[in-house]
Amino acid sequence: GQQVMQIPQYQHVQEGEDFTTYCNSSTTLSNIQWYKQRPGGHPVFLIQLVKSGEVKKQKRLTFQFGEAKKNSSLHITATQTTDVGTYFCATLKAAGNKLTFGGGTRVLVKP
Amino acid sequence: GAVVSQHPSWVICKSGTSVKIECRSLDFQATTMFWYRQFPKQSLMLMATSNEGSKATYEQGVEKDKFLINHASLTLSTLTVTSAHPEDSSFYICSARRLAGPSTDTQYFGPGTRLTVL
Repeated sequence: GQQVMQIPQYQHVQEGEDFTTYCNSSTTLSNIQWYKQRPGGHPVFLIQLVKSGEVKKQKRLTFQFGEAKKNSSLHITATQTTDVGTYFCATLKAAGNKLTFGGGTRVLVKP
Repeated sequence: GAVVSQHPSWVICKSGTSVKIECRSLDFQATTMFWYRQFPKQSLMLMATSNEGSKATYEQGVEKDKFLINHASLTLSTLTVTSAHPEDSSFYICSARRLAGPSTDTQYFGPGTRLTVL
């Protein structure tokens, strides 16, 4: 089945620094979604990308969909302690509307 | 808008008992709800798709007789873990997809139910 792999699995970031998490697939994706899950919480939808090369920004977060639609990235600038959590990418399969999640990147911020 | 609730938020039960978890879409109608399971420090794994008025569709490896799903209305789906065992201890999360209106591709997640089986 369709799988998405995320790297890195863990990310320790110094407050104020930037970091990027990546999502990769061996097959072409029709879409990619990103979610954030705070410790003890549930996934919260951040964004969906559908177009080749698409770039979307939400304040300090920049989301990109690769030209070949096989990878995506989430870049966070000037990391804050509120950015702590696990960031998941997921792809929505049209048939059945099922979401397949990547393994997640667990982000810890050092003050 | 697009709020999904789950009840209970946590439950502790004895091995062999059954536990029912409710998932409700509070301010929208959801023709489809999804049930996920998440073990500590792992990703979400889809267990089944719950369709209003019809049988649920289970993912490979998920026992339908153990995880009973009922989607009685456009705002309520229930997951019953029957004869629970300690290995069923996990975080169970539901999500709901809007029937109509904006963002029908978006799934809205409930707060999750933490099940501990002793």
